Amino acid sequence: GAVVSQHPSRVICKSGTSVKIECRSLDFQATTMFWYRQFPKQSLMLMATSNEGSKATYEQGVEKDKFLINHASLTLSTLTVTSAHPEDSSFYICSVRAGVDTDTQYFGPGTRLTVL
Amino acid sequence: LAKTTQPISMDSYEGQEVNITCSHNNIATNDYITWYQQFPSQGPRFIIQGYKTKVTNEVASLFIPADRKSSTLSLPRVSLSDTAVYYCLVVRRNAGNMLTFGGGTRLMVKP
Repeated sequence: GAVVSQHPSRVICKSGTSVKIECRSLDFQATTMFWYRQFPKQSLMLMATSNEGSKATYEQGVEKDKFLINHASLTLSTLTVTSAHPEDSSFYICSVRAGVDTDTQYFGPGTRLTVL
Repeated sequence: LAKTTQPISMDSYEGQEVNITCSHNNIATNDYITWYQQFPSQGPRFIIQGYKTKVTNEVASLFIPADRKSSTLSLPRVSLSDTAVYYCLVVRRNAGNMLTFGGGTRLMVKP
């Protein structure tokens, strides 16, 4: 399957600061990447779909001005949590579509964000 | 997309075969079934995918009856390292890759 990396794996920040999370597709070019959020003991919730070269599509209830997504290349998408607050503390996971002719997604290892 | 229902949790012992059943009564013709495994603090890992009948790979088997209203993930001879959450998803072909995760089944393998 596709290899997806995320950086950092873990980050702790102060309330009010911004945090950038990177998602990289290591072995193929991904025109579409997805960002999920997972709270403890809960399932994954899709936040947004990141499209290379165009604006991201956000799910209902996700603030686009707070969660900035940039997909500037076919191998990199970034999620920036702006003015982070303790309630933004969560596990953020990205995924990539494995190819143009498949709907299978492969997930990154996730980023644990803790906002103090 | 069809909603999925699966047991919240299951217990098993090392060496046993584990079968996790998922209900998806409203599955459509363009939908297929995908299973993911997730360990704590890791991203989900693709296990297996199928449309009908039986699919087998090196990790698991997936059984889908003719009416496709349910599916069963079969894990042969589980080990402690198979302790994880298993998610059953119904995915619509060529529909923007929407993945909707349900609650999953928390499998605990005991020694």
